[in-house]
Amino acid sequence: RKEVEQDPGPFNVPEGATVAFNCTYSNSASQSFFWYRQDCRKEPKLLMSVYSSGNEDGRFTAQLNRASQYISLLIRDSKLSDSATYLCVVTLSSGDKLTFGTGTRLAVRP
Amino acid sequence: DAGITQSPRHKVTETGTPVTLRCHQTENHRYMYWYRQDPGHGLRLIHYSYGVKDTDKGEVSDGYSVSRSKTEDFLLTLESATSSQTSVYFCAISESGLAAPFADTQYFGPGTRLTVL
Repeated sequence: RKEVEQDPGPFNVPEGATVAFNCTYSNSASQSFFWYRQDCRKEPKLLMSVYSSGNEDGRFTAQLNRASQYISLLIRDSKLSDSATYLCVVTLSSGDKLTFGTGTRLAVRP
Repeated sequence: DAGITQSPRHKVTETGTPVTLRCHQTENHRYMYWYRQDPGHGLRLIHYSYGVKDTDKGEVSDGYSVSRSKTEDFLLTLESATSSQTSVYFCAISESGLAAPFADTQYFGPGTRLTVL
């Protein structure tokens, strides 16, 4: 089983739609969680950290469910510019290492 | 954007030749990392550095070596390139480490596309 699993998609949605991605992680000792965004042929960039209480940044909401070992990302009112691959990332309580999922591709159409 | 550059940005080489990729940062961050990204795999850590001359292996370090003689430069060397090392290589930096619960943000360079024929 992969340490971090994501549905690869693609998720193909119209502008203005709400879309949600889930990511599951296998190691219950995972402590920190992030969503990164990666545009085609570009480097990953941090979108947001995921906190235990859940957090929101504009149209983006991230949630953590430790009991079920998954994190989610909700995007409201999708824009064309949201088209990208979204990477789920976790880190353990020890060791300087991030574990990346393979990413979920989102395509927002006009 | 964080000041990270990678060189070369694209390289085509032949099996058995040595290859060195360079990562240069202007942020004076302590930590530097090398990842590779391949279809069907998440970014995978090759090596990382937590200071000048301080390096450690990641999960896919076989066939790779690194050096860090200055804070700003982190070199990745493929001693004898193989076709399985065809990949996109990303350098990343962080001011402090990634150990939770205060894992620092990583900033990535633009990547190097390496093709080994």
